[in-house]
Amino acid sequence: QKEVEQNSGPLSVPEGAIASLNCTYSDRGSQSFFWYRQYSGKSPELIMSIYSNGDKEDGRFTAQLNKASQYVSLLIRDSQPSDSATYLCAAPGAGGTSYGKLTFGQGTILTVHP
Amino acid sequence: NAGVTQTPKFRILKIGQSMTLQCTQDMNHNYMYWYRQDPGMGLKLIYYSVGAGITDKGEVPNGYNVSRSTTEDFPLRLELAAPSQTSVYFCASNMGLPLGELFFGEGSRLTVL
Repeated sequence: QKEVEQNSGPLSVPEGAIASLNCTYSDRGSQSFFWYRQYSGKSPELIMSIYSNGDKEDGRFTAQLNKASQYVSLLIRDSQPSDSATYLCAAPGAGGTSYGKLTFGQGTILTVHP
Repeated sequence: NAGVTQTPKFRILKIGQSMTLQCTQDMNHNYMYWYRQDPGMGLKLIYYSVGAGITDKGEVPNGYNVSRSTTEDFPLRLELAAPSQTSVYFCASNMGLPLGELFFGEGSRLTVL
């Protein structure tokens, strides 16, 4: 089983809709989770981090964490064409001290069409 | 503020050649990492370093070597290039807290023919 797995996508939503991106993880000891956005041909950039169960909101973005179900999601409200990108879910590497090492999911390609 | 700088941005190698990807950061971060990203895939950790003189293997270290003589520099050496090393390579750094906030360079696209 992959340590961090994302729904395969690609995901296409109309402008103004809610985009929902999902991620599951295998290490029950993981305490923190991160969402990175990567535009085509560019490097990843951190957009959200979440450390405790529940929701965390930042503007149009909401991260949701359910540790019991080992599930992390990212909701993008009022999706815009500029949100079109690959979204990567990440968690610290399994076991021991992570030293900031992250294990990434394979990414979900989101396209927001006008 | 340059952040994390990688060179070269593009390179084509022949099978069996060697090369070094350079990575420099000016943020005084102790933690540095090398990831590779294959098409349609997430990032795989190759090597990482927690400070000058300290390096360790990540998930996919075979065929690569690193060194960390200074806080700023973390070069990645490819020995005897193989087509399987065709990928986009990203260098990243982290200040230590919060551990998940990695700052990435722009990437180096390597093709081995």
